[in-house]
Amino acid sequence: NAGVTQTPKFRVLKTGQSMTLLCAQDMNHEYMYWYRQDPGMGLRLIHYSVGEGTTAKGEVPDGYNVSRLKKQNFLLGLESAAPSQTSVYFCASNPGQGRFNEQFFGPGTRLTVL
Amino acid sequence: AQSVAQPEDQVNVAEGNPLTVKCTYSVSGNPYLFWYVQYPNRGLQFLLKYITGDNLVKGSYGFEAEFNKSQTSFHLKKPSALVSDSALYFCAVSHNTGGFKTIFGAGTRLFVKA
Repeated sequence: NAGVTQTPKFRVLKTGQSMTLLCAQDMNHEYMYWYRQDPGMGLRLIHYSVGEGTTAKGEVPDGYNVSRLKKQNFLLGLESAAPSQTSVYFCASNPGQGRFNEQFFGPGTRLTVL
Repeated sequence: AQSVAQPEDQVNVAEGNPLTVKCTYSVSGNPYLFWYVQYPNRGLQFLLKYITGDNLVKGSYGFEAEFNKSQTSFHLKKPSALVSDSALYFCAVSHNTGGFKTIFGAGTRLFVKA
């Protein structure tokens, strides 16, 4: 099993450009999450999904959109990138019994917005 | 509100000495507590969790954590530190709202000197 994979690993954008980050998991997990990691702030939840076709807002959703058209994929979109969105983005998945199970993380995407 | 605090930004310890990384939490109801480790340029990896039962939880790589309900703490410990333990450690608490979101602490960087 590849576990959780993320594409791309690195990206540099100019302010106002758009992009989509792809997360894929091959563990048949129900729940998927997008986090951003900034120095000294830990991980902050952007959006999450509790199943195919569902999405919900997390702690810092502004400026991002998500879609979960297939169970194994969770896409994070930036419609108009801003320098404040420079961060490392992590995707994670969870089998679906929520609080009892640990999350499985992807390797991250390092995004720089100039 | 649910929260997790890691009071130390950095912990320094000599190889072979015991280590402790501190975590306190605030959550309504029963806490579900986790420790994760992050090595440079990698995603988070699960170390151990407390759901219920024994207050001393054993996890990967010789780590253990002690749940203390009265002090609302979940400190990570290891009897003998290795240089390879040097990494960023995150404490997290999971709660039952919507998609069983997890709240992460800001992280503690552990340096083990040879």
